[in-house]
Amino acid sequence: EAQVTQNPRYLITVTGKKLTVTCSQNMNHEYMSWYRQDPGLGLRQIYYSMNVEVTDKGDVPEGYKVSRKEKRNFPLILESPSPNQTSLYFCASGLAGNTDTQYFGPGTRLTVL
Amino acid sequence: DQQVKQNSPSLSVQEGRISILNCDYTNSMFDYFLWYKKYPAEGPTFLISISSIKDKNEDGRFTVFLNKSAKHLSLHIVPSQPGDSAVYFCAARGAGNMLTFGGGTRLMVKP
Repeated sequence: EAQVTQNPRYLITVTGKKLTVTCSQNMNHEYMSWYRQDPGLGLRQIYYSMNVEVTDKGDVPEGYKVSRKEKRNFPLILESPSPNQTSLYFCASGLAGNTDTQYFGPGTRLTVL
Repeated sequence: DQQVKQNSPSLSVQEGRISILNCDYTNSMFDYFLWYKKYPAEGPTFLISISSIKDKNEDGRFTVFLNKSAKHLSLHIVPSQPGDSAVYFCAARGAGNMLTFGGGTRLMVKP
C-alpha cells in the first residue's frame, strides 16, 4: 500500500529536550516536505526537499532541522523544542515534476511543556 | 500576512444541497490552485486543482472556479453528502513550487 508514515503519532515533551519525528514514504517520490498546522493558520511549510541531500527552507523554518540522506526518509529534528512549537505536524511527499499533488502522512501531535 | 485566506471557518449545509467554499489570495504570481480535504486524525488528501490559465475545472460532484481578476476561487460540491463533512484547505503554488495554504473551512453536511 502506497503511504507516508510518521512516528510518533503523539508526543509530549519538555522544553529543551531534543526530539526527532520520522517520516518515511514508499512511493519513490523525490519531493518531501514538512508542514505544521495551527488553528486559523492552515498548513505552513517548514522545510522541503527536492531530492536526496537537497533541502530548502519553507515559510517557518526557525527552530527546526531536517536531513535527506535517503530518498524514502525525511526526519524533522527539533534541537531545543519550545512551547511555541506545540502543533500538529504533517509530512508529505510527491513527484518532483508534480509537487502540487502531495500525499500526506497521518500527522504527529506534539506538545512541548 | 496570509497570502491565502479562507474567511469562513465553518459552513453547514443540508444533504443534497450545494456547498460553496471560498478562498481569496493576494499574490498574483500564484499559477496553480488546489483543494485538499482533511478528515479528523488523518492527513489532508488532494481533491481537485485548477491552473491559472483556466476558470473552471470539474470532477464529478466537485467543481472549482477561478476568478483571476478578483483573486478568488471557490469549490462547489453538488449534491453535498454527509461523507463530505471535513475540513477543506485551499492552496496556491508560488515560486519554487512551494504551496501556501489557507486556514481551512470546516464543512458539516447534515442528513
